[in-house]
Amino acid sequence: SQELEQSPQSLIVQEGKNLTINCTSSKTLYGLYWYKQKYGEGLIFLMMLQKGGEEKSHEKITAKLDEKKQQSSLHITASQPSHAGIYLCGADNYGQNFVFGPGTRLSVLP
Amino acid sequence: NAGVTQTPKFQVLKTGQSMTLQCAQDMNHNSMYWYRQDPGMGLRLIYYSASEGTTDKGEVPNGYNVSRLNKREFSLRLESAAPSQTSVYFCASNLGHLNYGYTFGSGTRLTVV
Repeated sequence: SQELEQSPQSLIVQEGKNLTINCTSSKTLYGLYWYKQKYGEGLIFLMMLQKGGEEKSHEKITAKLDEKKQQSSLHITASQPSHAGIYLCGADNYGQNFVFGPGTRLSVLP
Repeated sequence: NAGVTQTPKFQVLKTGQSMTLQCAQDMNHNSMYWYRQDPGMGLRLIYYSASEGTTDKGEVPNGYNVSRLNKREFSLRLESAAPSQTSVYFCASNLGHLNYGYTFGSGTRLTVV
């Protein structure tokens, strides 16, 4: 079955620094989702990538899906305390099921 | 195998019927969650249990009830199913609330007609 791995497990950065979170699949991805969990709330949908080489940005967050569609990265530019939380990648296994990574915990120090 | 087990995997209900989705984890996790996933909307939190004996509402709790039966089990009940509850439901667990080690179940595809 498809599995997703995320790295790093946790990350502590100084405010203003850039950072990258990676999500790697054992199989070719059909749809790759990025979520953020806000403290005390559920998962917030950030963006979805489907095409090899696709890149999407929202505010200071950019997500990319590699050409082979097995790896995605989430890049945050000039991090802020509001970016802190748990980042989770999820994948659509060609409509059969959804799988999720374990998450990456981000802390941003002011 | 260690993990999160959800039952059933598929279910079709008539409007007004009730049912309970079961979720069990064998990883000694403290926190458990119920999410629904709808096209274009991502995962939305229905209810969660940060620790045994506690449950809290998430973003979309209306029409659902939960029971944290013990540390292993967290069930989701639909008392009177509605077509708007047609969705894919995911149970997840975590060692502790807001930790990074989520484990998700394989999902329950529910259709309400």
